Amino acid sequence: DAGVTQSPTHLIKTRGQQVTLRCSPKSGHDTVSWYQQALGQGPQFIFQYYEEEERQRGNFPDRFSGHQFPNYSSELNVNALLLGDSALYLCASSPSSPRGTQYFGPGTRLLVL
Amino acid sequence: AQRVTQPEKLLSVFKGAPVELKCNYSYSGSPELFWYVQYSRQRLQLLLRHISRESIKGFTADLNKGETSFHLKKPFAQEEDSAMYYCALTGYSTLTFGKGTMLLVSP
Repeated sequence: DAGVTQSPTHLIKTRGQQVTLRCSPKSGHDTVSWYQQALGQGPQFIFQYYEEEERQRGNFPDRFSGHQFPNYSSELNVNALLLGDSALYLCASSPSSPRGTQYFGPGTRLLVL
Repeated sequence: AQRVTQPEKLLSVFKGAPVELKCNYSYSGSPELFWYVQYSRQRLQLLLRHISRESIKGFTADLNKGETSFHLKKPFAQEEDSAMYYCALTGYSTLTFGKGTMLLVSP
């Protein structure tokens, strides 16, 4: 099991563009959470997907949206990119039981110019 | 609102010295507390969680509900402990992280 995988590893975009990040969960996990980690900060929760629906959402604008597929993989979409969206985006997967341990992927580093 | 505070950005100790990484939290219910660690060029990984009450790599952490703290301790630091440490809590299924403490263990 490769664990949680994310693609791409790095991405450079310009302001106003749109970006899609992808995540494949650890085998046996059906819940996917996304976090944004700005430089020098801890990860901040964006949203969580379970059974192809957004289950919980953090304090992020609607420009941030997501999707979960039947195979439990997930996408994070960010529209109308701002310079402040530059960060490491982390995906974490966990089993559906509440408070299941979250396992993190290596992240996608997004730079917005 | 739930919040995690790690007051130290950097903690520098010598090999063999005791280590205590501080974590305080704010949560109205009964949270579950975690310590995550990120070694250089590696992904974020779980170090320990309070409900398991186990020691991992010599680290322990005790949940003190009265002081709302979950400090991470190790009696004798090793150079390989140098890493970024994040305290986190969950009320149900999502994690709230602190800003992290960089632990630097010098020979």
